[in-house]
Amino acid sequence: EAQVTQNPRYLITVTGKKLTVTCSQNMNHEYMSWYRQDPGLGLRQIYYSMNVEVTDKGDVPEGYKVSRKEKRNFPLILESPSPNQTSLYFCASSLSYWKGDRHARTQYFGPGTRLLVL
Amino acid sequence: EDQVTQSPEALRLQEGESSSLNCSYTVSGLRGLFWYRQDPGKGPEFLFTLYSAGEEKEKERLKATLTKKESFLHITAPKPEDSATYLCAVVSGAGSYQLTFGKGTKLSVIP
Repeated sequence: EAQVTQNPRYLITVTGKKLTVTCSQNMNHEYMSWYRQDPGLGLRQIYYSMNVEVTDKGDVPEGYKVSRKEKRNFPLILESPSPNQTSLYFCASSLSYWKGDRHARTQYFGPGTRLLVL
Repeated sequence: EDQVTQSPEALRLQEGESSSLNCSYTVSGLRGLFWYRQDPGKGPEFLFTLYSAGEEKEKERLKATLTKKESFLHITAPKPEDSATYLCAVVSGAGSYQLTFGKGTKLSVIP
């Protein structure tokens, strides 16, 4: 079954304690991304990766790090979490490509990780 | 900067009462408009991609249309299981992989 998995699903932590949220996909997709979803603000992209060892900032990258050492995995790292990073986080994996001037994207989202930073 | 605005924020319909959700966009060259459905506590699920004004896509009771400034998601004779938040997103600019989402419309279909 094609899927994107995230772990943990729920996490309560304290300010400053480093944490990692893992993301894995089994569809051999090159493109992966991380989003956060907050009430009233919608989904905002944090980082994305177009392939192994290729990552770039999204709209809200401050306070986050990512790495892409293997095609299937794209962990999100919070080196020193703060309360304003309390949010619902989604990892996504896509078959993304350009065909002429059209961008095709079939994107699969993980189940989400709900993070509370105290 | 790309902007995507969805309206209304929330919509309550009686079962069988057809309606439309709106997604208006301001972008520098639309390269793709995407609709997603999100159930509470879950990740968004891809529905449609549209590229050109006049284009339409259908899936069961849903039909997405596109003009030069906005997209509509028409829901015909909705059922309670259509209740969800519907998200619109765009990619603009040649070669871009950046996806910009609207804030969504929360649809509730009452039996």
